[in-house]
Amino acid sequence: NAGVTQTPKFRILKIGQSMTLQCTQDMNHNYMYWYRQDPGMGLKLIYYSVGAGITDKGEVPNGYNVSRSTTEDFPLRLELAAPSQTSVYFCASSEHRDTNREQYFGPGTRLTVT
Amino acid sequence: AQSVSQHNHHVILSEAASLELGCNYSYGGTVNLFWYVQYPGQHLQLLLKYFSGDPLVKGIKGFEAEFIKSKFSFNLRKPSVQWSDTAEYFCASGGGFKTIFGAGTRLFVKA
Repeated sequence: NAGVTQTPKFRILKIGQSMTLQCTQDMNHNYMYWYRQDPGMGLKLIYYSVGAGITDKGEVPNGYNVSRSTTEDFPLRLELAAPSQTSVYFCASSEHRDTNREQYFGPGTRLTVT
Repeated sequence: AQSVSQHNHHVILSEAASLELGCNYSYGGTVNLFWYVQYPGQHLQLLLKYFSGDPLVKGIKGFEAEFIKSKFSFNLRKPSVQWSDTAEYFCASGGGFKTIFGAGTRLFVKA
């Protein structure tokens, strides 16, 4: 299993540009998540999905959109990039709704908005 | 709102020194606690987790953590660190989409 894969690994955007961060998992997990990681702030949940066709907002959803058309894919869309969105983005998945199950993380995407 | 506090943001140790990283969580009903590690340039991976049973939890690579209910703590320990333990360590509580992460502790182990 490849686990959770993300593309691209690095990206530089200009203010106002848009982009999609791709995330794919091959573990047949129903639950998927997008986090952003900022220095000294830990990970903050942007959006999550409990299955294909179902998504919901996390703690910091403003400026982002997601979709979940298949179990495997959970892309994150930035429509109008802003410097505040400079961060490292992690996609994750988990097997089950039980909260004692760990999350499996992708390698991350480092995004810089200038 | 639930929260997770990690006491130290940066820790520097020499090889063979003992490690203890502090973590306190706010009570939110069912207790599910995790320690994740992020090695340089790599993704987060699970070190260990606690959700019930023996409060002393053993994880990978010689790490362990003790759940102390009365102190709302879940400190991570290792008796003797190695240079390869250099990483960022995150404590988390809740699980699933309710997971709350601490700010992280950067550990640097001097060879």
